[in-house]
Amino acid sequence: SQKIEQNSEALNIQEGKTATLTCNYTNYSPAYLQWYRQDPGRGPVFLLLIRENEKEKRKERLKVTFDTTLKQSLFHITASQPADSATYLCALNRPGTYKYIFGTGTRLKVLA
Amino acid sequence: DGGITQSPKYLFRKEGQNVTLSCEQNLNHDAMYWYRQDPGQGLRLIYYSQIVNDFQKGDIAEGYSVSREKKESFPLTVTSAQKNPTAFYLCASSSPQLAGEETQYFGPGTRLLVL
Repeated sequence: SQKIEQNSEALNIQEGKTATLTCNYTNYSPAYLQWYRQDPGRGPVFLLLIRENEKEKRKERLKVTFDTTLKQSLFHITASQPADSATYLCALNRPGTYKYIFGTGTRLKVLA
Repeated sequence: DGGITQSPKYLFRKEGQNVTLSCEQNLNHDAMYWYRQDPGQGLRLIYYSQIVNDFQKGDIAEGYSVSREKKESFPLTVTSAQKNPTAFYLCASSSPQLAGEETQYFGPGTRLLVL
């Protein structure tokens, strides 16, 4: 079965720096990979989707890369702010379905 | 405002009791989902529905039941057969245009606790 690995330890970085979060997966390569943000006690919020034929996607201060050879996606937040502190989840679609598998998430804390 | 609402925010269940979690959306989405989130684990799919009057089991359907009588509503019942129901339950909806490409919109969640 597909496994997704996200760094379970919290990532602490200084305000203004670039945060980089990792999502590694095994087995099949998904056609789509999504990143979500989740604040404590709330539902996840969609951030970005990247397709298997795309190497990189950007949205404002966010950038996602997708390396199907390494089976890895990197999620970058540039010029990070304390308001970016949250848990970030990656999710992979199951082939030919509407179903996604979610990682456990990485908690990011941006220090002022 | 368009969105997904879940109620209640907190729910307490006694031993042997069935409880129902509500999920309503006004986004006109066809697909709806129920996930369970436990500390240190990813979201796990309980049930999903792609169309009214049709639903499929996800990875952890045992001890749960759902119905989809209206497009807007997808209630989840946690039955007494679910022996470890304490978790954060999330409802989501999506409007798939191409399988896998749709994004999911999540509700605020219901935290279920066992007394």
